[in-house]
Amino acid sequence: ETGVTQSPTHLIKTRGQQVTLRCSSQSGHNTVSWYQQALGQGPQFIFQYYREEENGRGNFPPRFSGLQFPNYSSELNVNALELDDSALYLCASSLEAGTSGVGEQFFGPGTRLTVL
Amino acid sequence: AQSVTQLGSHVSVSEGALVLLRCNYSSSVPPYLFWYVQYPNQGLQLLLKYTTGATLVKGINGFEAEFKKSETSFHLTKPSAHMSDAAEYFCAVSHSGGYQKVTFGTGTKLQVIP
Repeated sequence: ETGVTQSPTHLIKTRGQQVTLRCSSQSGHNTVSWYQQALGQGPQFIFQYYREEENGRGNFPPRFSGLQFPNYSSELNVNALELDDSALYLCASSLEAGTSGVGEQFFGPGTRLTVL
Repeated sequence: AQSVTQLGSHVSVSEGALVLLRCNYSSSVPPYLFWYVQYPNQGLQLLLKYTTGATLVKGINGFEAEFKKSETSFHLTKPSAHMSDAAEYFCAVSHSGGYQKVTFGTGTKLQVIP
C-alpha cells in the first residue's frame, strides 16, 4: 500500500509568481485535504476535495485553488504569491467525507514553499 | 465554530518521567478529537483519536488520552518518556458532517532530557 506522496519537496518562488503543488493520495482514498503550516504554527485548513469537487474551504483567498483528478490525486495552485505564503503545505487523504463520520486522515511529508 | 488551545508551546521532561500535554477544545457540536505527532521535516502521524464511546483512548507508542466533556479537555499522557518521543504534538478537533474540516492547535514541542 503506497502512502501519501507530495511533490516537489522544496520550492523557491518570487513574489507575484504562481505555483502548483501536487499530491498523490493513499490507495483507495477518495478525499484530499490541503493544509498550510507556517513556521511555528499548527496546520491551517485550506480546502478539501471529495470525488473531484471542492467539499469545504477554510479562510483562504480565491488565489488558492485546487483540483482533484479521477484517480483522486490533487493539485494546489497559488497565484500572485506573497511573502506570507511561505510555509509547509501538507496534503492529507482519507476514505470518505460523507456524513458517516471522520475518516482518518493520512498526511504526506509536505512541500516547503519559500517566497522571496 | 471549533477551536483548540494547547497549553505550553514547549514542555521538557526527563527520560522515564510522565508526559502530560494539555489540550482544551471548543466545539458547538459533539467533537471528534485527535492527537498528531510531527517529527522534524516530516508530515503528521496520527497518535490516537476519539469519536464516540469509551472516553479513554489508547494510541500508538504508549500514548493515551482521556476525553472529558465537562472540562472540554483531551490531554495526552504517557507514563514513561522515551528519547524517541521528542517531537511536536498537535491536538485537533473535528466533527461528523458533510466534510472533514480539522482544526489544529498551535502545537507543543516535547523535549526529553536524558
